[in-house]
Amino acid sequence: SAVISQKPSRDICQRGTSLTIQCQVDSQVTMMFWYRQQPGQSLTLIATANQGSEATYESGFVIDKFPISRPNLTFSTLTVSNMSPEDSSIYLCSVGLSYGYTFGSGTRLTVV
Amino acid sequence: SQQGEEDPQALSIQEGENATMNCSYKTSINNLQWYRQNSGRGLVHLILIRSNEREKHSGRLRVTLDTSKKSSSLLITASRAADTASYFCATARSGGSEKLVFGKGMKLTVNP
Repeated sequence: SAVISQKPSRDICQRGTSLTIQCQVDSQVTMMFWYRQQPGQSLTLIATANQGSEATYESGFVIDKFPISRPNLTFSTLTVSNMSPEDSSIYLCSVGLSYGYTFGSGTRLTVV
Repeated sequence: SQQGEEDPQALSIQEGENATMNCSYKTSINNLQWYRQNSGRGLVHLILIRSNEREKHSGRLRVTLDTSKKSSSLLITASRAADTASYFCATARSGGSEKLVFGKGMKLTVNP
């Protein structure tokens, strides 16, 4: 199964600033997924990142707020821009395999 | 948007008892998956059941799928304190290349 290294694991950020989250996969994968999990809630997909093309965003999420890079088949970044306290959440990356999906360990973001 | 709905949303049992969680979904699926999340960390894939399967076992886990009722159940037998976690069902329309749609999740507490 694929192993994902996600960092940072947690951060406390000032409002108005930006944070970039990185995910490194130990094998080449076509698609990577970025999810947000608000406190006490389930996971909501932010966007799907395909190598070599622009990410596809879900309703309610825009590229200006959550720019994503996917420079190669093993790496992706998600930036949370111009943060507000409402962005305080856990952010997770994921890759899909035929038998299931593997998730990074998550980034717990607190915006103050 | 959430597709799966777990039932119950919280369950507290004693060690050694069985725990059953139910999930309902709304659209046609290729597979349904169950995940565990400990204390807001990354998700751990437990089991995947395909739309043409009715039952699957993995260790102490038993999953059933009823596509006519659009529902699934996860049974954890002989529960342990270490099973305390949040459990999510998630559906996919295809294998590995599409987003997962998560249910709201269920908090299981196993008391020693």
